Amino acid sequence: EAQVTQNPRYLITVTGKKLTVTCSQNMNHEYMSWYRQDPGLGLRQIYYSMNVEVTDKGDVPEGYKVSRKEKRNFPLILESPSPNQTSLYFCASSSPGLATTYEQYFGPGTRLTVT
Amino acid sequence: AQSVSQHNHHVILSEAASLELGCNYSYGGTVNLFWYVQYPGQHLQLLLKYFSGDPLVKGIKGFEAEFIKSKFSFNLRKPSVQWSDTAEYFCAVNAPYSGGYQKVTFGTGTKLQVIP
Repeated sequence: EAQVTQNPRYLITVTGKKLTVTCSQNMNHEYMSWYRQDPGLGLRQIYYSMNVEVTDKGDVPEGYKVSRKEKRNFPLILESPSPNQTSLYFCASSSPGLATTYEQYFGPGTRLTVT
Repeated sequence: AQSVSQHNHHVILSEAASLELGCNYSYGGTVNLFWYVQYPGQHLQLLLKYFSGDPLVKGIKGFEAEFIKSKFSFNLRKPSVQWSDTAEYFCAVNAPYSGGYQKVTFGTGTKLQVIP
C-alpha cells in the first residue's frame, strides 16, 4: 500500500530538549516536504527536498532542520524546541511525473506540544 | 510569490444544501490547482486537481471545481452535501519556484459543518 508514515504521532516535550520526527514514504517520490498546521493559518511549508541531499527552506524554517540521506526518509529535527513550535506537523511526498502532477501524499500527522 | 485566498473560514449548511467554497490565487503564469480535504482527526487527502484541459474538474464524492483563468479562481462545488462532508477543505496552488522546484502553496482552509 502506498503510504507516508510519521513517528511519533503524538509527542509532549519540554523546552530545549532535542527531538526528531521521522517520515518515510514507499512510493519512490523525489519530492518531500514538511508542513505545520496551525488554526487559521492553514498549512505552511517548513522545508522541502527535491531529491537525496537536496533540501531547501520553505516559508517558516526557523528552529527546524532536515536531512535527506535516503530517498524514502526525510526526518524533521528540532534542536531546541520552544513553545511556539507547538503545532500539528505533516510530512508529504510527491513526484513531478506527468501522471501525478505534484499531487501531495500526506502522512498521518504528528501533534507536538512543547511546554 | 504565489498566494492563495479562501474567503470563507467557516461554513455551516444543512444536509442537501448546495455548497460553493471560494478559492482565488495570485500567480501570473501556468499553475496546477488542487482541493484537499481533511476529515476530523485525519490527514489531508486529494479531492480533485486541475492541470490542463476542461476547466470543469470532477473529483471524488460528487465534488467538482471550475477553473476560471480570467478570475484566478478555482471554486469548489457540490450540489447536495451530506453530514459525512463535514471536514476542512484546503485549496492549493503549485507553480514554478526556484531550481526547477514546483512550490505548493495552501490556503488557510474552510471548515465545513453539515447539520443533519
